[in-house]
Amino acid sequence: QVQLVDSGGGVVQPGGSLTLSCSVSGFSLTSHAVHWVRQTPAKGLEWVAVIGYHGQKKFYAYSVSGRFTISRDNSSDTVYLQLSNLRTEDTAVYYCARDGDLAVPRSFDAWGQGTLVSVS
Amino acid sequence: QSALTQPASVSGSAGQSITISCIGSSSDIGGYNFVSWYQQHPGKAPKLVIYDGTKRPSGTPNRFSGSRSGNTASLTISGLQAEDEADYHCCAYAGASTYVFGTGTKVTV
Repeated sequence: QVQLVDSGGGVVQPGGSLTLSCSVSGFSLTSHAVHWVRQTPAKGLEWVAVIGYHGQKKFYAYSVSGRFTISRDNSSDTVYLQLSNLRTEDTAVYYCARDGDLAVPRSFDAWGQGTLVSVS
Repeated sequence: QSALTQPASVSGSAGQSITISCIGSSSDIGGYNFVSWYQQHPGKAPKLVIYDGTKRPSGTPNRFSGSRSGNTASLTISGLQAEDEADYHCCAYAGASTYVFGTGTKVTV
């Protein structure tokens, strides 16, 4: 079945860097886009970034553009989110989520369990 | 891009119906008509319950329904059940492959 497993969260100082991983199974990265979404108690859910199923198109929220980089490795079925120049306001639980694409368009039909990033 | 506006909390008795509103703008809900809704139980990841504004993915009970009018989307839960107690989040496509979420609503049964 479709599964996404997030990992890589931790505690980092302001200005530091961290790389999150999303290991997927049950589907191919060449047939579905994958997004990162973060959640804080204060602001709720916030869309962060997406990598298209071709792997070429990448888009970012304004709040992270220029600091975060999304990428993927098809051979290991893993999507990455590199976080750099981190700020305290980046503290959140980060989820990777599969794009429903043609079957369930413009929505996130499967999610990872989340990984906590704490910037302090 | 500003977050979509949802009521902080909605409550209802078992068997009743409740409706959660999600107010956006012509740049998201009103412009693209791609609204999805997610249910989230404490400590769990969100789960898709409505997509394309009104459609239910397989597995979503038919007591969940969605609608849209102008810049506002709504989620209605009919015949409220105890297991429906959770947080609900709306999400809208905002163009250029970007998305905006709502502020979230806590439903109490």
